[in-house]
Amino acid sequence: QKEVEQNSGPLSVPEGAIASLNCTYSDRGSQSFFWYRQYSGKSPELIMSIYSNGDKEDGRFTAQLNKASQYVSLLIRDSQPSDSATYLCAVKDSSASKIIFGSGTRLSIRP
Amino acid sequence: GAGVSQSPSNKVTEKGKDVELRCDPISGHTALYWYRQSLGQGLEFLIYFQGNSAPDKSGLPSDRFSAERTGGSVSTLTIQRTQQEDSAVYLCASGEWTGDSQPQHFGDGTRLSIL
Repeated sequence: QKEVEQNSGPLSVPEGAIASLNCTYSDRGSQSFFWYRQYSGKSPELIMSIYSNGDKEDGRFTAQLNKASQYVSLLIRDSQPSDSATYLCAVKDSSASKIIFGSGTRLSIRP
Repeated sequence: GAGVSQSPSNKVTEKGKDVELRCDPISGHTALYWYRQSLGQGLEFLIYFQGNSAPDKSGLPSDRFSAERTGGSVSTLTIQRTQQEDSAVYLCASGEWTGDSQPQHFGDGTRLSIL
């Protein structure tokens, strides 16, 4: 059973600080990785995708990928209260055309 | 354009009844997923349809659950003889492969409550 692991949190970060969210995955052959944000009572929405080792930046968000360590992370700079949500890591199964989600990390930005 | 549409948005029913949940994906999307999300929990994969391939049913929790996708478009998730533990939000997502990428677009979900 291929797995995507995340710390459930809650992760509490002061406003303006950097929030760091981590994800590990078991499928060594995976090549595609995604971060979704889910506000309470809402559906998940895609915020970042990453395919190559290293960093990918989009505004205040940076995704980091290390395939050798089977580790992907999301950094949120200058955290805002509106960033408070659950962040879901998702990984493409290398042997099946399927996306596998982690259980999510709940992030709380305190003013 | 229209997003993923799910109906009903809320469903309350008595234990033992059958329910049908509908998902209308984004036009042209070949991939369609069903997930279940209990309160405060992560996404639980149920079933995956990809084009004309046989569906991946590996996430269905019991034989009371079934799903079909007609004409490669609309999908219906059926739960027979509902139990209280079936109470959850049922989310549908559709997507399209671009190389190795398949961003998923989620519907607003159906909140199912079993009395």
